[in-house]
Amino acid sequence: AQKITQTQPGMFVQEKEAVTLDCTYDTSDQSYGLFWYKQPSSGEMIFLIYQGSYDEQNATEGRYSLNFQKARKSANLVISASQLGDSAMYFCAMRESLRKAGTALIFGKGTTLSVSS
Amino acid sequence: EPEVTQTPSHQVTQMGQEVILRCVPISNHLYFYWYRQILGQKVEFLVSFYNNEISEKSEIFDDQFSVERPDGSNFTLKIRSTKLEDSAMYFCASSPGQGSNEKLFFGSGTQLSVL
Repeated sequence: AQKITQTQPGMFVQEKEAVTLDCTYDTSDQSYGLFWYKQPSSGEMIFLIYQGSYDEQNATEGRYSLNFQKARKSANLVISASQLGDSAMYFCAMRESLRKAGTALIFGKGTTLSVSS
Repeated sequence: EPEVTQTPSHQVTQMGQEVILRCVPISNHLYFYWYRQILGQKVEFLVSFYNNEISEKSEIFDDQFSVERPDGSNFTLKIRSTKLEDSAMYFCASSPGQGSNEKLFFGSGTQLSVL
């Protein structure tokens, strides 16, 4: 079974608009972390935002926010005021059992975001 | 800002040859990882390494793969006898410790092409 599901292979948005990238996850652990990474066409993996399973507030980092709905096991990324430079692949990822050191970060298949002017 | 360094950025090899991909993690990090990404696809976990031993590995990480930290700075991934399907981008990553907001810092990757 997929641990991380990103159902949107591609998303299109106009500059200055907001966009939501979907992510659902599957875990039986009570303690876990959720991450979003951005991969531009140059290929590097850039960390965007983190949400811990016990965090009561939704995480925010500048124009990025994470809409965390624990009961639904969803962790959607919201990008406000899209910019052309936001065009990239976006990966949702999860780490289970934060108590265990070195636990692998498992990625979803990614969503390609295209921002147009 | 400190970064994870990977060399080479591109590696071309013949099928059946051995390759070694090199990484220099961030100096005060304790946990090291290798991931791979076949073109346009998901980023797949290969192996994690802590305290000079493998702490976790995926089913992809079979006997053809090995990892080593030969000195205090380098972390290497060896593929003993490359196959065509090993062609991918290989990412090294490191993380500092057991903090609850422990993110992985990724290198810029090595693009491996097996001919």
